Amino acid sequence: EDKVVQSPLSLVVHEGDTVTLNCSYEVTNFRSLLWYKQEKKAPTFLFMLTSSGIEKKSGRLSSILDKKELSSILNITATQTGDSAIYLCAVEEGAQKLVFGQGTRLTINP
Amino acid sequence: GAVVSQHPSRVICKSGTSVKIECRSLDFQATTMFWYRQFPKKSLMLMATSNEGSKATYEQGVEKDKFLINHASLTLSTLTVTSAHPEDSSFYICSASQDSEAFFGQGTRLTVV
Repeated sequence: EDKVVQSPLSLVVHEGDTVTLNCSYEVTNFRSLLWYKQEKKAPTFLFMLTSSGIEKKSGRLSSILDKKELSSILNITATQTGDSAIYLCAVEEGAQKLVFGQGTRLTINP
Repeated sequence: GAVVSQHPSRVICKSGTSVKIECRSLDFQATTMFWYRQFPKKSLMLMATSNEGSKATYEQGVEKDKFLINHASLTLSTLTVTSAHPEDSSFYICSASQDSEAFFGQGTRLTVV
């Protein structure tokens, strides 16, 4: 059975801290790994990773995929209260089918 | 990016009635759309894959007679929750892909009373 596991499930830090969110997966037909941020309703896209070892960066957020370890990390540096959200990792398995992890609930305290 | 519109965003219905949720791709054609369900404080779970012009493919454990999916055109998929019960109360969200990127509708909060 395809599986995506995120850790930690919940994280509370202070503004300015750096956080690292983890995602590991077991899927039979891996195509890509995606990170989303979900605040209230629909998830918003952050990154799509297909190649191992290539870091993708967007402002204070960065992510990298390790296909050997079947995992990915999402880093957020100099966190702000606006970064508080649920971060979802999903793996595209087969034809555009996404398998989601449980999500990491990140809370940034001022 | 592409836009996926979902309607309604919120619906309250009585137990035993049916509710239809629409998902439209506004500026692109989607031969495949996906329906997800999210329980409170949990992640998104894929319910079914909606295929234009053919039957939907349901994930294990999802009742196809209860969650009717129709994908009549390249821009519209509908999910009908039939004979709704309070345990069907949930957040339902659709997605469609373009150029390997998934775009989500705004989601529908269904409350069955």
